[in-house]
Amino acid sequence: GNSVTQMEGPVTLSEEAFLTINCTYTATGYPSLFWYVQYPGEGLQLLLKATKADDKGSNKGFEATYRKETTSFHLEKGSVQVSDSAVYFCALSPAAESGGSYIPTFGRGTSLIVHP
Amino acid sequence: ETGVTQTPRHLVMGMTNKKSLKCEQHLGHNAMYWYKQSAKKPLELMFVYSLEERVENNSVPSRFSPECPNSSHLFLHLHTLQPEDSALYLCASSQSRLGTYEQYFGPGTRLTVT
Repeated sequence: GNSVTQMEGPVTLSEEAFLTINCTYTATGYPSLFWYVQYPGEGLQLLLKATKADDKGSNKGFEATYRKETTSFHLEKGSVQVSDSAVYFCALSPAAESGGSYIPTFGRGTSLIVHP
Repeated sequence: ETGVTQTPRHLVMGMTNKKSLKCEQHLGHNAMYWYKQSAKKPLELMFVYSLEERVENNSVPSRFSPECPNSSHLFLHLHTLQPEDSALYLCASSQSRLGTYEQYFGPGTRLTVT
């Protein structure tokens, strides 16, 4: 079956530090890949997505590139802020041509804590 | 209202109570989902509805009963719950359950079973 693996947290950084949260996946074909963010007391919200190999998703200074050869979709930000403190989820949606179930698959989430 | 709304936001119920969670989406989407989010556990998909038809039931105990009367509304009926059912219940919708569509989540209902 499909799976998403992301690095264990929490990740603790100082403001303006560089952020990388690793995400790798297992799936047939070319799934769509997503990063969601969950702020305290809220539901998940889409941060960025990529739907085909070598696509780069970007939003609010965050970026991730769909790497088919390494089955990865690592999240990066050049300079984090205290307001970026949240839990980040990597997820995939199976390719339409993969057949079978179309259930989305989420990673376990990585907590990011940014100190002033 | 825009996006996905959920009511109530917080719910405390005894093990013998019956209650319902409500979800409404204002996005014109065709697929709706219930998830359970517990501390220290991965997000658990419970049910998927597509065009008002249940298409996934992820081995959820029968004390959870979903209902989708139309494409905008989704309910989760609860009865004789257990303390381990305490969690954040998230509703989500997407344009379709197929293809490349992202999900839009509501803020969740924090459920405590006493």
